Amino acid sequence: QQPVQSPQAVILREGEDAVINCSSSKALYSVHWYRQKHGEAPVFLMILLKGGEQKGHDKISASFNEKKQQSSLYLTASQLSYSGTYFCGTAKYNTDKLIFGTGTRLQVFP
Amino acid sequence: SQTIHQWPATLVQPVGSPLSLECTVEGTSNPNLYWYRQAAGRGLQLLFYSVGIGQISSEVPQNLSASRPQDRQFILSSKKLLLSDSGFYLCAWSGPYEQYFGPGTRLTVT
Repeated sequence: QQPVQSPQAVILREGEDAVINCSSSKALYSVHWYRQKHGEAPVFLMILLKGGEQKGHDKISASFNEKKQQSSLYLTASQLSYSGTYFCGTAKYNTDKLIFGTGTRLQVFP
Repeated sequence: SQTIHQWPATLVQPVGSPLSLECTVEGTSNPNLYWYRQAAGRGLQLLFYSVGIGQISSEVPQNLSASRPQDRQFILSSKKLLLSDSGFYLCAWSGPYEQYFGPGTRLTVT
């Protein structure tokens, strides 16, 4: 089943913070986060693995609550370049087949 | 470094016509490959994935098919397109932690 993301859309001014959530109905092995600019392909931001390992972007942080099957992406001091649609991708096992979430559209204005 | 190519970039096809989209990967061997479709304003739907030559797993029943004739080549096909096949088609391959997406093909079925 497709993970559910919230909120569906966020509007920010430069410098403001945002949190994007991803919730799954099934136990997860890993959560991936991607950002997609309009008309472009998604770009990898970070991965969170069961057990606490994380790999990814220097300026973006995220958390993974295995028990609640939830992940949150934290965008601090947002920049104009952060605008885009954010997708979480979840994997049930140690496999790289991902099921992507519903997406969160983020717009940052000057 | 690894590179993923997709062509064509855009395509307009009439209903009932055939389809062939090609994806090739450079700089890696025996990659896991994926086809996704993204309807306008929507999320990423996994269509097919392949772990090797001739090995295809279908995720969603539909009138599309996929083939992997060579290690780094992945083809998406249809014998007769439907209006609902319109969308942004993305090919991807898996790195150690993340998926890398190609530039995509925007298909409009008229």
